[in-house]
Amino acid sequence: EVQLVESGGGLVQPGRSLKLSCLASGFTFSNYGMNWIRQAPGKGLEWVASISSSSSYIYYADTVKGRFTISRDNAKNTLYLQMTSLRSEDTALYYCARSAYWGQGTLVTVSS
Amino acid sequence: DVVMTQTPVSLSLAIGQPASISCKSSQSLVHSDGKTYLSWILQRPGQSPKRLIYLVSKLDSGVPDRFSGSGSETEFTLKISRVEAEDLGVYYCWQATHFPLTFGSGTKLEIK
Repeated sequence: EVQLVESGGGLVQPGRSLKLSCLASGFTFSNYGMNWIRQAPGKGLEWVASISSSSSYIYYADTVKGRFTISRDNAKNTLYLQMTSLRSEDTALYYCARSAYWGQGTLVTVSS
Repeated sequence: DVVMTQTPVSLSLAIGQPASISCKSSQSLVHSDGKTYLSWILQRPGQSPKRLIYLVSKLDSGVPDRFSGSGSETEFTLKISRVEAEDLGVYYCWQATHFPLTFGSGTKLEIK
């Protein structure tokens, strides 16, 4: 069974950093591109970043480019999202997703 | 960026009635590889999104065949032949042909 389990969310002050993790299981992680997608409270879905299976290709939404870094460790079956210079508008539930499969999300709240 | 225009914003239907949701993209979603990366996602209340349909019309495993997807180029439709209670939630179309990946704004399906 495919499982994606996000962690690392929490309350953080504006301007600070946070690193999210997504532990994958139930499939060969190194074979798949992965995505981070977020959902602000009461809002729709917003794509954040994508990374190819071997990390050769990485893409970011303009809203996070230069502040967020997506990465992966195929040996650990883990996807990461390093977030810096956080803003209030980054407050959202962050999902890790692989095509048909989504995690349960980890909540990031940026507030002083 | 590809803008995904989804209509209607909401639907209120009785069980057994058909449903139809439209999604129009601001540019063709045909990838250079010939495939059209248009998916439909359902987010039930309090749950993570779940993909229902990919590549315009392919049903994900376990998705009832009362769901169907159609369309091409820039116009796409999700249909539910007979709405059931478990179908309530917000439906999103999602294109993965062009970066940045983009979502429709969602259609909320309520059961009368």
